[in-house]
Amino acid sequence: QKEVEQNSGPLSVPEGAIASLNCTYSDRGSQSFFWYRQYSGKSPELIMSIYSNGDKEDGRFTAQLNKASQYVSLLIRDSQPSDSATYLCAVLNNNAGNMLTFGGGTRLMVKP
Amino acid sequence: SAVISQKPSRDICQRGTSLTIQCQVDSQVTMMFWYRQQPGQSLTLIATANQGSEATYESGFVIDKFPISRPNLTFSTLTVSNMSPEDSSIYLCSAAGTMTYGYTFGSGTRLTVV
Repeated sequence: QKEVEQNSGPLSVPEGAIASLNCTYSDRGSQSFFWYRQYSGKSPELIMSIYSNGDKEDGRFTAQLNKASQYVSLLIRDSQPSDSATYLCAVLNNNAGNMLTFGGGTRLMVKP
Repeated sequence: SAVISQKPSRDICQRGTSLTIQCQVDSQVTMMFWYRQQPGQSLTLIATANQGSEATYESGFVIDKFPISRPNLTFSTLTVSNMSPEDSSIYLCSAAGTMTYGYTFGSGTRLTVV
């Protein structure tokens, strides 16, 4: 069974700090990796995608991928209270149905 | 990325009735997906809807309960049939124009069955 694991949190960080969100996955055939942000009562919003080992930066967000360790992370620099949300990790195996497998999500709380 | 309009945004339904949820995509997409998200939980895939073929259902979900239509490359519906309070949840549709650019979601349908 394909699994994506995340710490449910809540992860609490002070405003301005770096928030580090982690995700592990079991399917070694996974090829694409995504981070979604979901505010309470809203639908998930794609914020980062990563396909190759290493880091990918977009503004305050950095996604990190290590396929050997089956590990993907999201760093949020200069965290703001508006970053408080649930962050969902999702992985995709293009050779296995093309559907996303989601982790359970990590709730992030950024305190002013 | 694709933009998806989903409706209704919410509904309160009597048990035993059915509700059809619609999703309209602003571009042609090969695959559309239907998810359920219960309060405080992550997303559970119900089925994959491909144009021109029957939907593919995940374990625990059956066509009689959740019939899906996909008449063209921009539209899909999910019906929740013979509803019970256990069907109260948020239902989300999703689509991707190309697999490498991630999947976008509709705004969701919050269903309450009384």
